[in-house]
Amino acid sequence: EIVLTQSPGTLSLSPGEGATLSCRASQSVSSGLFAWYQQKPGQAPRLLLYGTSNRATGIPDRFIGSGSGTDFTLTISRLEPEDFAVYYCHQIERSPRTFGQGTKMEIK
Amino acid sequence: EVQLVESGGGLVQPGGSLRLSCAASGFTFSASSMSWVRQAPGQGLEWVSAITPGSETTYYADSVRGRFTVSRDNSRNTLFLQIDSLRADDTAVYYCAKGGFYDHWGQGTLVTVSS
Repeated sequence: EIVLTQSPGTLSLSPGEGATLSCRASQSVSSGLFAWYQQKPGQAPRLLLYGTSNRATGIPDRFIGSGSGTDFTLTISRLEPEDFAVYYCHQIERSPRTFGQGTKMEIK
Repeated sequence: EVQLVESGGGLVQPGGSLRLSCAASGFTFSASSMSWVRQAPGQGLEWVSAITPGSETTYYADSVRGRFTVSRDNSRNTLFLQIDSLRADDTAVYYCAKGGFYDHWGQGTLVTVSS
């Protein structure tokens, strides 16, 4: 099983600041088989980025994905109030598919 | 508009069974792989199962293999998850999700396992 470890667990920032979220895989993941999701309280998750760096429909360009192999990064520039949520990384390289444990981004 | 609507959740005793359904509309269901993802109260996301468009192949998390069965009826645009031998740690909101990457999710159905 590919274990995804996200860091930090919690990120406290202010609107307007930038954020960097990390996800490390226990085995190499093909860039095309990696994604990020956002989840707000009481809502279903929403796809942000797929294939590491491709933004899903309606996702603003302040969300940027990068990385390869075992290290992937989600960068959010100029945080907006609606960006404060929990973010999950996800791999579909190998079954069982797995999610990271999540990074909670909270308003400082 | 893509819509995924789950149903079938509820309160069940340990050892019991439930059959979850996910009614799909707004896209070509028969061409899409589908998955189930669950989330225990206050916890993160856990991938549960996936099925290819024509039901050729199914995939399961180790924690549910042998107890859960995913299936689909492409004539009815519906995805199913049969869950047997339920345990307390199966308590969660169960989401169905569309595609290899989950570009659309249902609103979830809550399964509570308790005596």
